[in-house]
Amino acid sequence: GEDVEQSLFLSVREGDSSVINCTYTDSSSTYLYWYKQEPGAGLQLLTYIFSNMDMKQDQRLTVLLNKKDKHLSLRIADTQTGDSAIYFCAESIGGGTSYGKLTFGQGTILTVHP
Amino acid sequence: NAGVTQTPKFQVLKTGQSMTLQCAQDMNHNSMYWYRQDPGMGLRLIYYSASEGTTDKGEVPNGYNVSRLNKREFSLRLESAAPSQTSVYFCASSADFLYEQYFGPGTRLTVT
Repeated sequence: GEDVEQSLFLSVREGDSSVINCTYTDSSSTYLYWYKQEPGAGLQLLTYIFSNMDMKQDQRLTVLLNKKDKHLSLRIADTQTGDSAIYFCAESIGGGTSYGKLTFGQGTILTVHP
Repeated sequence: NAGVTQTPKFQVLKTGQSMTLQCAQDMNHNSMYWYRQDPGMGLRLIYYSASEGTTDKGEVPNGYNVSRLNKREFSLRLESAAPSQTSVYFCASSADFLYEQYFGPGTRLTVT
């Protein structure tokens, strides 16, 4: 079955890099996503990676995928106070009864200190 | 282009009352979803509609019903609200079933 795990909290200083980690169990994952949720708001898609890729870079965001260890990470370079939010990792499955459905992790609360 | 909109933003119900949460998208997406978000648990899928005219149960469908009214609109109904349904409800849509999902702002529901 699908299970997505994240650490619950991360605290960094402004200007440092943040690395948010995620592990998943279903090896048939097709896409892996990172969403950001600011207080009182909905989820905003940040970036995603197809399961046959190892890395994707998008401005300050770098996604690394280790398929062997089923480990996904999101690195935010030069973290700013506006990056403080909850970050959700999610996977979608490309086949079987879970086709197309997103399974979310619990979310990582990122706090950025000045 | 408003994306995904949800009404209402907030609602308080008494146990046993019923209500319908509305969701609409203007992106011409085929697939729509309803999730609930509870503290420390991420989002859990309640129901989804892979395409107009179809609906299917997700992970936590008990106590809910849905209607895909047309391609734009997907409503979630609580027939007899229970305190366990106190949550934040998010609607999402995607161009097709395996594509990235875009979320609405959420409805915060409290059942007393």
